[in-house]
Amino acid sequence: GDSVTQMEGPVTLSEEAFLTINCTYTATGYPSLFWYVQYPGEGLQLLLKATKADDKGSNKGFEATYRKETTSFHLEKGSVQVSDSAVYFCALSEDNDMRFGAGTRLTVKP
Amino acid sequence: KAGVTQTPRYLIKTRGQQVTLSCSPISGHRSVSWYQQTPGQGLQFLFEYFSETQRNKGNFPGRFSGRQFSNSRSEMNVSTLELGDSALYLCASSFLNMGIAGPSSYEQYFGPGTRLTVT
Repeated sequence: GDSVTQMEGPVTLSEEAFLTINCTYTATGYPSLFWYVQYPGEGLQLLLKATKADDKGSNKGFEATYRKETTSFHLEKGSVQVSDSAVYFCALSEDNDMRFGAGTRLTVKP
Repeated sequence: KAGVTQTPRYLIKTRGQQVTLSCSPISGHRSVSWYQQTPGQGLQFLFEYFSETQRNKGNFPGRFSGRQFSNSRSEMNVSTLELGDSALYLCASSFLNMGIAGPSSYEQYFGPGTRLTVT
């Protein structure tokens, strides 16, 4: 069945560092791909999405490109801030079914 | 448009008791999914309801049940609580059209969660 694998955390970075969180997926067809973010004490928030190959989702300085050839949807940000500290989840949706990765905890230090 | 709301936000129960959690989806959303989140197991899918019918179910014991009302609000119930049921319970809604012409999107919008502590 469909599945999502994302890099294990935790990830600790200094402020203004470059961020990459890897995500790869397995799907039978053409899924939609998502990144969600969960701040402490809150539910998950949709961060960005891409619905077809080569689409780039972006929001709040974060970007991810839907790469069908490598079945990947890596999350990137050029300069992280302390306020980006959170847990990030990669997810896919296909045939009205949703699959989440295990989550990657990011801590950004001043 | 109001987001997904969950009540109560925090709950403390004793082993053996039962608990009911409530979720109100975004207006117009007919699909409601429930998840259990724990530090050890991560985010685990419990079940999904669409138009008052359970559409999908995860791998949880029968002590976990749910239902959905005609206004799309959903409740989940856990009976005979165990210490291991302590978790953040998240509800998510989506604008899903099953077999109905028109737009449909399965991206999920989450509520803030209910933090359940079992002592």
